Amino acid sequence: AQKITQTQPGMFVQEKEAVTLDCTYDTSDPSYGLFWYKQPSSGEMIFLIYQGSYDQQNATEGRYSLNFQKARKSANLVISASQLGDSAMYFCAISLNDYKLSFGAGTTVTVRA
Amino acid sequence: EPEVTQTPSHQVTQMGQEVILRCVPISNHLYFYWYRQILGQKVEFLVSFYNNEISEKSEIFDDQFSVERPDGSNFTLKIRSTKLEDSAMYFCASRARAGEETGELFFGEGSRLTVL
Repeated sequence: AQKITQTQPGMFVQEKEAVTLDCTYDTSDPSYGLFWYKQPSSGEMIFLIYQGSYDQQNATEGRYSLNFQKARKSANLVISASQLGDSAMYFCAISLNDYKLSFGAGTTVTVRA
Repeated sequence: EPEVTQTPSHQVTQMGQEVILRCVPISNHLYFYWYRQILGQKVEFLVSFYNNEISEKSEIFDDQFSVERPDGSNFTLKIRSTKLEDSAMYFCASRARAGEETGELFFGEGSRLTVL
C-alpha cells in the first residue's frame, strides 16, 4: 500500500518569504500522481498542484512549485512570496491507477506579517 | 468554473439516526468519491464509485455506510445508524474521465456531521 509522510506538523514563515513543505512517499507502483491540497480554517479542500510520476519537469502553478525528486521519492511543495492568506493546513497526497487519494497528516503553515 | 456541491454544509443528529449527505459532482465526471476527515486528523478515503457501482471501499466503509447515484446527477452517502465516532467532515469528490492529463480530484466544500 502506498504511504505519504509529512514530517512537519507546523511551520511559520514571514510574509513575502518562501516556504518549503516536505512530502515523501512510498509506493512500488511505477505510475502514480502526486497532489498538494490547501485546507484553510473554513474546511474546504483546495487543489494546488499535480505532478505525474512520468513528468520530466517539475510542476508549477503560479506561486506554487513542486520539487519532485523521484529517486528520493519526495515531492516537496514550495510556496514563494508567502501571503497572509496562505495560512492553512497543507496536505500532500498520492494516487495510483485506481485514482483514489491517500493523504499525509498535513502541515500547518502560519504566515506572519 | 464547474464545481462539486455538497449539502448540507452542517448537520447535527442524534446517535442512532440515519443521515444522508448529498453531493452533485461536476457534470461530465465519471469517478466519484467520499472522503472523511475527523477533526484535527488527516483526510481518509471511504469509497470510490464508477459506472454505477462501488469500485473500492476502505475498512471504514462498513455495513452502516452506503452510496447511491439515484438520478444521474446526485451522489449520496448514507449512514444508517450514526455513532458518535461518525462525527467528521465528509468530502465528496469527482474526477474527469480516465486519460485526462491533469489527474485532479475536485472536492466539494464538505459536509460537517456532528453526532450527539
